[in-house]
Amino acid sequence: TQLLEQSPQFLSIQEGENLTVYCNSSSVFSSLQWYRQEPGEGPVLLVTVVTGGEVKKLKRLTFQFGDARKDSSLHITAAQPGDTGLYLCAGRYSSASKIIFGSGTRLSIRP
Amino acid sequence: GAGVSQSPSNKVTEKGKDVELRCDPISGHTALYWYRQSLGQGLEFLIYFQGNSAPDKSGLPSDRFSAERTGGSVSTLTIQRTQQEDSAVYLCASSLGSGDYGYTFGSGTRLTVV
Repeated sequence: TQLLEQSPQFLSIQEGENLTVYCNSSSVFSSLQWYRQEPGEGPVLLVTVVTGGEVKKLKRLTFQFGDARKDSSLHITAAQPGDTGLYLCAGRYSSASKIIFGSGTRLSIRP
Repeated sequence: GAGVSQSPSNKVTEKGKDVELRCDPISGHTALYWYRQSLGQGLEFLIYFQGNSAPDKSGLPSDRFSAERTGGSVSTLTIQRTQQEDSAVYLCASSLGSGDYGYTFGSGTRLTVV
């Protein structure tokens, strides 16, 4: 059972364009994280959001946690080829539990 | 080292053989996790160790899978009588504790069962 749905599954866009990746669930999470993974490597943490409605910015990346803490989005402005990778959202039901990963969005940025 | 170390990086084994995968977490990280990833998909939770507490084994897919963590540090994931469907990348991660800490992942062990 996939508890965290990510969309789109695949996205290929031109360098300089903007994009948004979505992470949705019917469950409430105490916190949500976003990771980026490159081929042959483990995922690398980008951000943790813990408060409903929270918005965090990391350079050209903007992360938002839904008011009800059931969904999140990642927006990239002026995408660059270095943004290419597999983006994974991951939710935690409570502070004492492990995190559950979404199915991932594979992003490709064309020069 | 500064990161999570996993060995071997690649393992090819014959169906029916047992394999052991090793994870060396970051020193001082009390929580250790094993996940499995197939064909660049999302990560499937396997098992979670937190300090001296009983491990959360709820993600182990069958009784052929087991894991231990010795001395609160190094962990070994053992798969007995391997099957072709066990082929995947096995990722280990550690974190400072059970709170809202991010995970630091190793580079994984790519297991191929032939």
